[in-house]
Amino acid sequence: AQKITQTQPGMFVQEKEAVTLDCTYDTSDQSYGLFWYKQPSSGEMIFLIYQGSYDEQNATEGRYSLNFQKARKSANLVISASQLGDSAMYFCAMSPGPANQAGTALIFGKGTTLSVSS
Amino acid sequence: GAVVSQHPSWVICKSGTSVKIECRSLDFQATTMFWYRQFPKQSLMLMATSNEGSKATYEQGVEKDKFLINHASLTLSTLTVTSAHPEDSSFYICSARYTDRGLYEQYFGPGTRLTVT
Repeated sequence: AQKITQTQPGMFVQEKEAVTLDCTYDTSDQSYGLFWYKQPSSGEMIFLIYQGSYDEQNATEGRYSLNFQKARKSANLVISASQLGDSAMYFCAMSPGPANQAGTALIFGKGTTLSVSS
Repeated sequence: GAVVSQHPSWVICKSGTSVKIECRSLDFQATTMFWYRQFPKQSLMLMATSNEGSKATYEQGVEKDKFLINHASLTLSTLTVTSAHPEDSSFYICSARYTDRGLYEQYFGPGTRLTVT
């Protein structure tokens, strides 16, 4: 069965520092997609970054990068130069099967609460 | 990007009444929409997959007679919580997948906070 594991319930970091949020996954599919979402206290889900299972390079989007280690089945999110506005809950998610399917819901991990202090 | 709206954003109802939550894809057509439930500081739990023109597919443990889903058009799915009880109080989020560049990102509505008194 597909599963996403986030082992860090909470992380604390100071402004301008980098932080890594851990995510491991379990799947027997060869083709899958990995996503990271941010959920601030308002509740909205904000898409951050995506990594396809066949992508050879790690995904990057501005201050976000995804450290994808396929053999270890890990997809850690790295946030560089943290900002106060980064304080939120972060979810790692997986799209089972081929990532280009509209009819498959994402499977979410339990989330990590990130707190950024000044 | 694509936009998914939800209405209402919050609702308070009395125990025993029914509440309808609407989920709309504003600028794209969504054959499939998903309904999630989220308790405070917990993850999103998939409740059901809503398919336009056919019956929804419910996840194990979700009462289909309690959580009625209707996907009447390519832009609208509704979730009705029937005979609501305080334990149904939660944050309900709908979503749909859409692509304009080959990647089916999952776009989420802003959520509906339901409180049953």
